[in-house]
Amino acid sequence: KNEVEQSPQNLTAQEGEFITINCSYSVGISALHWLQQHPGGGIVSLFMLSSGKKKHGRLIATINIQEKHSSLHITASHPRDSAVYICAVSSGGSNYKLTFGKGTLLTVNP
Amino acid sequence: DTGVSQDPRHKITKRGQNVTFRCDPISEHNRLYWYRQTLGQGPEFLTYFQNEAQLEKSRLLSDRFSAERPKGSFSTLEIQRTEQGDSAMYLCASSFYSYNEQFFGPGTRLTVL
Repeated sequence: KNEVEQSPQNLTAQEGEFITINCSYSVGISALHWLQQHPGGGIVSLFMLSSGKKKHGRLIATINIQEKHSSLHITASHPRDSAVYICAVSSGGSNYKLTFGKGTLLTVNP
Repeated sequence: DTGVSQDPRHKITKRGQNVTFRCDPISEHNRLYWYRQTLGQGPEFLTYFQNEAQLEKSRLLSDRFSAERPKGSFSTLEIQRTEQGDSAMYLCASSFYSYNEQFFGPGTRLTVL
């Protein structure tokens, strides 16, 4: 069992739909990260959170430390949101190395 | 551009050849990480540096792999005697000590024929 599990693996939505991607982890963490990866490889950090909720534009990330679960929500989805969304955790200690989920491929159709 | 840069962006090589990749982190960042990502998978940790010191290496990093960060600035990752299983995207990220957020480069895609 991977330390970081994401669901769903693939998600297709129509433009305007509300989207939720889930992440569960099995280790103690210092922070959870949501990352976006477009075709071609580049990874962009969307959120880093250790408690509660963060919002940036149409993106909202929440985390429940007790349940070891996080969600990424996209409101009013748009085709430009199409990408792979990756959940990653830094599991404490001083190295802050990241352990990644496999990613969720999101396709938003116009 | 003051982001993380990697060179080359693509590398095609024949099995058995040696390859070297370079990563230039954001200038004030003293931590530098290497990750490897195969198709359809999330990235996996390979190694990290704090300044010029290599502080941790994954068991994924066989003795054919070596990484350096000689002056605490840019880093190189060398793979000797490449194998087809080494084909992957090699990602570099940097961060400021004690601050968790990592900034990623565009990656180097390696194809071993």
